[in-house]
Amino acid sequence: DAGVIQSPRHEVTEMGQEVTLRCKPISGHDYLFWYRQTMMRGLELLIYFNNNVPIDDSGMPEDRFSAKMPNASFSTLKIQPSEPRDSAVYFCASSDPGQGTYEQYFGPGTRLTVT
Amino acid sequence: QKEVEQNSGPLSVPEGAIASLNCTYSDRVSQSFFWYRQYSGKSPELIMSIYSNGDKEDGRFTAQLNKASQYVSLLIRDSQPSDSATYLCAVNRGAGGGADGLTFGKGTHLIIQP
Repeated sequence: DAGVIQSPRHEVTEMGQEVTLRCKPISGHDYLFWYRQTMMRGLELLIYFNNNVPIDDSGMPEDRFSAKMPNASFSTLKIQPSEPRDSAVYFCASSDPGQGTYEQYFGPGTRLTVT
Repeated sequence: QKEVEQNSGPLSVPEGAIASLNCTYSDRVSQSFFWYRQYSGKSPELIMSIYSNGDKEDGRFTAQLNKASQYVSLLIRDSQPSDSATYLCAVNRGAGGGADGLTFGKGTHLIIQP
């Protein structure tokens, strides 16, 4: 089975530009999570969805960040306008608690560099 | 502020020995605990989950949980050079059992010396 799919794998953009990161969860998983990883702060939860509905966005750093999940197989994380401090690796993960466990499986990540 | 604490290392272990990784967490309502392995430049890979007090074994890996002490550990037996990586401890954030996002420690960098 295909794992979590993220695109693009690398993104380099200039400060002020809009950035959109994409994620396709594992088929059948009804929870989707967005995390950000930096050397200073480690891996942090930004937002998560259950059945396409945002449940907790308390980790979203600023109004410049927004996330959507229009259907069960697709989610986006948008940053507008982007800033150099947004440079990080952004991971998407999914899980299926209906199986009785809460294991989250991560995608390959998108490495974002804002210059 | 819910926290997960790990010794950052590096932890250096001879090949064939047992590597012991430790983690403490601050939130007493946490119910789900995970160990992820992350190679440099790669994404976190789930290696163990544990939900009840005691030990859980899977191959060369054993996870240990003590909720009273708010302590979780990972033992790697017969360590191999391919085990060299950063190991991340993760704990669910609330009372949702784990369907509510994870709080991660900063990770322990493990080096297996041939």
